[in-house]
Amino acid sequence: AQKVTQAQTEISVVEKEDVTLDCVYETRDTTYYLFWYKQPPSGELVFLIRRNSFDEQNEISGRYSWNFQKSTSSFNFTITASQVVDSAVYFCALSPLNTGGFKTIFGAGTRLFVKA
Amino acid sequence: NAGVTQTPKFQVLKTGQSMTLQCAQDMNHEYMSWYRQDPGMGLRLIHYSVGAGITDQGEVPNGYNVSRSTTEDFPLRLLSAAPSQTSVYFCASSYRSELYNEQFFGPGTRLTVL
Repeated sequence: AQKVTQAQTEISVVEKEDVTLDCVYETRDTTYYLFWYKQPPSGELVFLIRRNSFDEQNEISGRYSWNFQKSTSSFNFTITASQVVDSAVYFCALSPLNTGGFKTIFGAGTRLFVKA
Repeated sequence: NAGVTQTPKFQVLKTGQSMTLQCAQDMNHEYMSWYRQDPGMGLRLIHYSVGAGITDQGEVPNGYNVSRSTTEDFPLRLLSAAPSQTSVYFCASSYRSELYNEQFFGPGTRLTVL
């Protein structure tokens, strides 16, 4: 069975603080994709990153960074120097390769509040 | 490209009414899906399609029907709306690709069933 767990339901930080959103997944597949999506208050889903199971390199994009550790089945997301515009719900998701995404399993989401 | 479009954006129904949520994409994607989003539960897959004429059930299909007569369109039908179907509905599409599973999402339809 596949499962994505985002244990943090809500996180509240003050602007400029660093914050890490946790994601732990379960899968029997040996090849898979992991994703992070952002859902701002306007409601749309914004794709942030895709990582395949072959590539455990960490990735940095501006203030965002992702730490993928296959040994612990985790794919954590860190925002450095958070800003009010980072306030959103963030979803971690898992999908087997070559399924076009329709077997994507989403976590319950973590709501991030960044206060000015 | 308009990407994935959904109509309507908001809808209020009475229990027992039927309606169709529209979804269209102009990216020539083979795969299309419908999800519902409920508080604290993330997105759950309702139905999906891997191409015109082919559909299958997802995790929570009861109370919903779909069809895929063209590559572009994937409507979701509620046959007899129930309050439990109050939710935000997202349509998504993606390529049939060995490289990417990234889904492109529509803006969502917020449905309230009274």
